[in-house]
Amino acid sequence: AQSVAQPEDQVNVAEGNPLTVKCTYSVSGNPYLFWYVQYPNRGLQFLLKYITGDNLVKGSYGFEAEFNKSQTSFHLKKPSALVSDSALYFCAVRDGGNYGQNFVFGPGTRLSVLP
Amino acid sequence: NAGVTQTPKFQVLKTGQSMTLQCAQDMNHEYMSWYRQDPGMGLRLIHYSVGAGITDQGEVPNGYNVSRSTTEDFPLRLLSAAPSQTSVYFCASRPDRDNYEQYFGPGTRLTVT
Repeated sequence: AQSVAQPEDQVNVAEGNPLTVKCTYSVSGNPYLFWYVQYPNRGLQFLLKYITGDNLVKGSYGFEAEFNKSQTSFHLKKPSALVSDSALYFCAVRDGGNYGQNFVFGPGTRLSVLP
Repeated sequence: NAGVTQTPKFQVLKTGQSMTLQCAQDMNHEYMSWYRQDPGMGLRLIHYSVGAGITDQGEVPNGYNVSRSTTEDFPLRLLSAAPSQTSVYFCASRPDRDNYEQYFGPGTRLTVT
């Protein structure tokens, strides 16, 4: 069965510093990996995905993620954090079963960017 | 486009009551899903649909029913509410099997007392 771990409940970073939000996964077959962001009282918004190709994936709002097959990781990064990046971040993996609709989400990591 | 809309935004039920959470999308997406979000657990798939007339169970389907009579609408029914169903419910859609970006509604916060 697929699974996603986000080892940090909370990440604090100063504005202007680089940020990393960690994600590791377990999946049989090729992984389809995603990052979503949730702002307070809102639904999730898609940030980026890895399906195949370059290990460094660029997404919305200046975010990028690095796929590392040997470490089964898909960490989210941003070179310079903004206060407005403060939100809840979810990593997800898709498996091919159920018409490809099985998306398994991690528990989320709360990012706080301090001014 | 309104995207994915959900009603109501908040609901309080007593144990044993039934209700329907509404979800609609105006993007002509084939795939629609219902998730519940509980603290520290991420999102868990309840039911999903891959087109009008086609639905199937996800990870946590017990206590919930769905139907999909039109492409636009995908209501979630709680038949007999239980306190364990207290959660935030999200509806999501995506265009088809090969487009993986999901579009989420704003959520419904449900409390069962």
